[in-house]
Amino acid sequence: QIQLVQSGAEVKKPGASVKVSCKASGYTFTSYGISWVRQAPGQGLEWMGWINGYNGHTDYAPKLQGRLTMTTDTSTTTAYMELRSLRSDDTAVYYCARWSDCSSTTCYDYWGQGTLVTVSS
Amino acid sequence: DIQMTQSPSSLSASVGDGITITCRASQSITRYLNWYQQKPGKVPKLLIYATSSLQSGVPSRFSGSGSGTDFTLTISSLQPEDFATYYCQQSYSTPLTFGGGTKVEIK
Repeated sequence: QIQLVQSGAEVKKPGASVKVSCKASGYTFTSYGISWVRQAPGQGLEWMGWINGYNGHTDYAPKLQGRLTMTTDTSTTTAYMELRSLRSDDTAVYYCARWSDCSSTTCYDYWGQGTLVTVSS
Repeated sequence: DIQMTQSPSSLSASVGDGITITCRASQSITRYLNWYQQKPGKVPKLLIYATSSLQSGVPSRFSGSGSGTDFTLTISSLQPEDFATYYCQQSYSTPLTFGGGTKVEIK
């Protein structure tokens, strides 16, 4: 079965970096992209960007450009999201989701379980 | 960026009621609109993609319609498991923005 399994919760100080992993299984990793979506406590969903699982092409949300890097390791079918210069408002649950082609549009049909990143001094 | 506005932000309804949630885009997104359901402490779940296509396994009481800038999600007869927050998302252009969410609560 298709699964996205994320790394565990992190606590970071302001100014630090965090790297979250998303291990994919049950499908051909290079045939799909991976997106990252975050959700601050009690808030809605925020799209962070996506990475093409085949060629590594990335597309980031403008507000995170410069602080965000998405990568993949096709040998281990794992996607990574690194966010730098962390601030308190980066505290959120971070989700990876499979970027799928749904009737010629994009949709997220499988999601990771989420990783809580807490930024606090 | 395309802004997505949902209304209402919350609603109260009873089991068996029919409800409609609206999502408006700041510019035309043709039919590139998805809906997700999220229960407290859980992962978002894809309900509907491309405006009206039901994701596999989603009950037929859920339906979607619209085009251009105005879209709706309808639940024909609310069931206890449907009480959750619903998000629309445009997939027309990046950044793929979400609506602010509609929380459906039990009356």
